[in-house]
Amino acid sequence: EADIYQTPRYLVIGTGKKITLECSQTMGHDKMYWYQQDPGMELHLIHYSYGVNSTEKGDLSSESTVSRIRTEHFPLTLESARPSHTSQYLCASSELGLDRVHGYTFGSGTRLTVV
Amino acid sequence: SQQGEEDPQALSIQEGENATMNCSYKTSINNLQWYRQNSGRGLVHLILIRSNEREKHSGRLRVTLDTSKKSSSLLITASRAADTASYFCATDATGTYKYIFGTGTRLKVLA
Repeated sequence: EADIYQTPRYLVIGTGKKITLECSQTMGHDKMYWYQQDPGMELHLIHYSYGVNSTEKGDLSSESTVSRIRTEHFPLTLESARPSHTSQYLCASSELGLDRVHGYTFGSGTRLTVV
Repeated sequence: SQQGEEDPQALSIQEGENATMNCSYKTSINNLQWYRQNSGRGLVHLILIRSNEREKHSGRLRVTLDTSKKSSSLLITASRAADTASYFCATDATGTYKYIFGTGTRLKVLA
């Protein structure tokens, strides 16, 4: 079983609400990522981090923000949710230098619906 | 634009048959990985092949890589109903440190 946890598993909220999607890993991995997966399955990298206090935007522009205050924790926040944010959000982590050996470890995802 | 694209988009086969999925990418890579995703879940790492390797095996999985054609294939032999899932390739372009995922192939294995 993967040692990376995402909560909540499912979330239905109203437009304009502020939400935070949680992601925690117990493997001590330095690198963490957030992917957005649309209904057509394609995964888009929206944020990543190489360690504490390091955050970068990914390839897909996103209105969300992230923080990395602790190695094990990489939360994603939407200040004002809109229906266009409805998607599945996947968190992943990898060990610096070893992601080219072991790949990424993914959480089970958060399915967000904004109504 | 997306680094990797899989084809077919969807594949339906009978249990016991072999399943082949292909992945094409656009730029030079350090390595290529294949992942499986069960419905509504996260991705699970299956196998990694380096740019200087041509073929790799892991159990019923066989991966090939052709860097001249910028393509890879994943073969699942003697498929089982439990292999039903979506399969993604992921590449890290040379000079970058992030993996970009392809569009995925939905495999359905009928019992």
